[in-house]
Amino acid sequence: DAGITQSPRHKVTETGTPVTLRCHQTENHRYMYWYRQDPGHGLRLIHYSYGVKDTDKGEVSDGYSVSRSKTEDFLLTLESATSSQTSVYFCATRDRDEQYFGPGTRLTVT
Amino acid sequence: LAKTTQPISMDSYEGQEVNITCSHNNIATNDYITWYQQFPSQGPRFIIQGYKTKVTNEVASLFIPADRKSSTLSLPRVSLSDTAVYYCLVALVSGGYNKLIFGAGTRLAVHP
Repeated sequence: DAGITQSPRHKVTETGTPVTLRCHQTENHRYMYWYRQDPGHGLRLIHYSYGVKDTDKGEVSDGYSVSRSKTEDFLLTLESATSSQTSVYFCATRDRDEQYFGPGTRLTVT
Repeated sequence: LAKTTQPISMDSYEGQEVNITCSHNNIATNDYITWYQQFPSQGPRFIIQGYKTKVTNEVASLFIPADRKSSTLSLPRVSLSDTAVYYCLVALVSGGYNKLIFGAGTRLAVHP
């Protein structure tokens, strides 16, 4: 499982508040990804990183920002949470041909 | 990135072989085909990857015809624990392989 942990695992927050989700890996993989998963949509890529301080946008990046100051940590921030951002968020890393996914964070925005 | 199309859902029974076909008509020359499995409340897990012909591992087989416009994931003798969503992805493995795009996947239900 590439030693991927996500925190928190569950969070309920109110509309308009900032939220930061953390992904931590222990395998020193270069590439890291944030996805969201909603019913009927599969997984959609939000942002990804190809190295420390190197990030790029995915399919659904509006309303999200990311930061990667260390190889092992990739943070996803919702600057002002909205109800449409209620979802399950997965972090992933890549090693050569294979992606490894974390356990997910269930975020509810009320 | 090549778009993939796969059935939304499939049903099977324990002990049967299940074949899930994915179409990817605009696959590029350097693209590989990869399948992931996802159980409820878990992240996806890599199953198998191939470029052409047939690939087999301890979990599944992947059949890719010569034109590579489709691929078939074969699960031998499924059990109840194979009930999951299966995703087909097409992407360049090296170099530009940065953006894995998942579709809606195929929801496989295995019945007793």
